[in-house]
Amino acid sequence: EPEVTQTPSHQVTQMGQEVILRCVPISNHLYFYWYRQILGQKVEFLVSFYNNEISEKSEIFDDQFSVERPDGSNFTLKIRSTKLEDSAMYFCASSRDENIQYFGAGTRLSVL
Amino acid sequence: AQTVTQSQPEMSVQEAETVTLSCTYDTSESDYYLFWYKQPPSRQMILVIRQEAYKQQNATENRFSVNFQKAAKSFSLKISDSQLGDAAMYFCAYGETSGSRLTFGEGTQLTVNP
Repeated sequence: EPEVTQTPSHQVTQMGQEVILRCVPISNHLYFYWYRQILGQKVEFLVSFYNNEISEKSEIFDDQFSVERPDGSNFTLKIRSTKLEDSAMYFCASSRDENIQYFGAGTRLSVL
Repeated sequence: AQTVTQSQPEMSVQEAETVTLSCTYDTSESDYYLFWYKQPPSRQMILVIRQEAYKQQNATENRFSVNFQKAAKSFSLKISDSQLGDAAMYFCAYGETSGSRLTFGEGTQLTVNP
């Protein structure tokens, strides 16, 4: 069964460093998403991406965040200058046309 | 803005018994989707079941079924014949058109006792 793949599973970084989280969505899906989940809290929407551009973003998704689909298969989330409060689980998801979003296993980001 | 509320932070059930998890939501839309996702300790988000608001019939997937009450904006999940592997955090989620964000509830931690 096709699945969304995220790498790395765990990323440790120093405050102020840039990180790139990578995702390979399901191959025939059209919509791509990033969500985050701070430990013990609910899952929060960050951004959605369709047709090579951002279709929606939340108030969390400020100038330090960016997304890219560099080569037609990967979908990346870049955090330019990480803060302690960016420590969270980051989930990539993809969907086709019925808004059934399939999630990857997540990347746990630890900012020290 | 749409909101999703899960009023039960924790629930427990005996193995082989039935349990119902509650979810309410608020929206002014008439066409939308509702979902239940399961998050085991691995923290992967796994889709359990989905309901389209325009369908009156409640969705079922094997031991999992929903009670969708559109007028009351209620969407509960019933798990029958509970198994140890059902133990997880369960999130209710709301979504609209294709490509739109999902809005999640706070989650209900389900414990299954042997």
